[in-house]
Amino acid sequence: DTGVSQNPRHKITKRGQNVTFRCDPISEHNRLYWYRQTLGQGPEFLTYFQNEAQLEKSRLLSDRFSAERPKGSFSTLEIQRTEQGDSAMYLCASSQTTVANTGELFFGEGSRLTVL
Amino acid sequence: SQQGEEDPQALSIQEGENATMNCSYKTSINNLQWYRQNSGRGLVHLILIRSNEREKHSGRLRVTLDTSKKSSSLLITASRAADTASYFCAPNRDDKIIFGKGTRLHILP
Repeated sequence: DTGVSQNPRHKITKRGQNVTFRCDPISEHNRLYWYRQTLGQGPEFLTYFQNEAQLEKSRLLSDRFSAERPKGSFSTLEIQRTEQGDSAMYLCASSQTTVANTGELFFGEGSRLTVL
Repeated sequence: SQQGEEDPQALSIQEGENATMNCSYKTSINNLQWYRQNSGRGLVHLILIRSNEREKHSGRLRVTLDTSKKSSSLLITASRAADTASYFCAPNRDDKIIFGKGTRLHILP
């Protein structure tokens, strides 16, 4: 078990470019979450998956954001036409959740995005 | 919304003292979790307390839950410099874990 892995750890891009982040959860974890965090704030919920199904997407997310988890393993978060306001830390977490029990979330170290 | 609200927003104490952080929430829950985040890092799970539990201990951590008041507290005893971090509560009802702004704890040498 190598933990939750996120890549890249840092991304600097110019406004208007597209960026994609990847998250590899702990194997066999069925839940995967994406959060966005800016300095001094708590993690802001973006979306989450149960296996390959996307359960919910935050209304705060514009259409420029899309996330996938095609085979129920790794996930990608894509931001199209980036804006300076997208600069943040993007956190991924996974958990093993059953009907009777919500598992703890295991977080990756995050992907820091800077939009110039 | 099942987002928790931590109080105080910031707390500075001397090393060796106890630190108490509070969390309030608005909906019924299945459990409540506490997380710690060191600067620039991901969150780390500290402890989970179920809705039918009132108190739980883990090392120097003590968590209480009062479902009638919809509140929880996290006590860190004999604080250490390494406890300097942000702490978040996560009231959980339907597995969509929502975090508040957290409590920033600073341990003074």
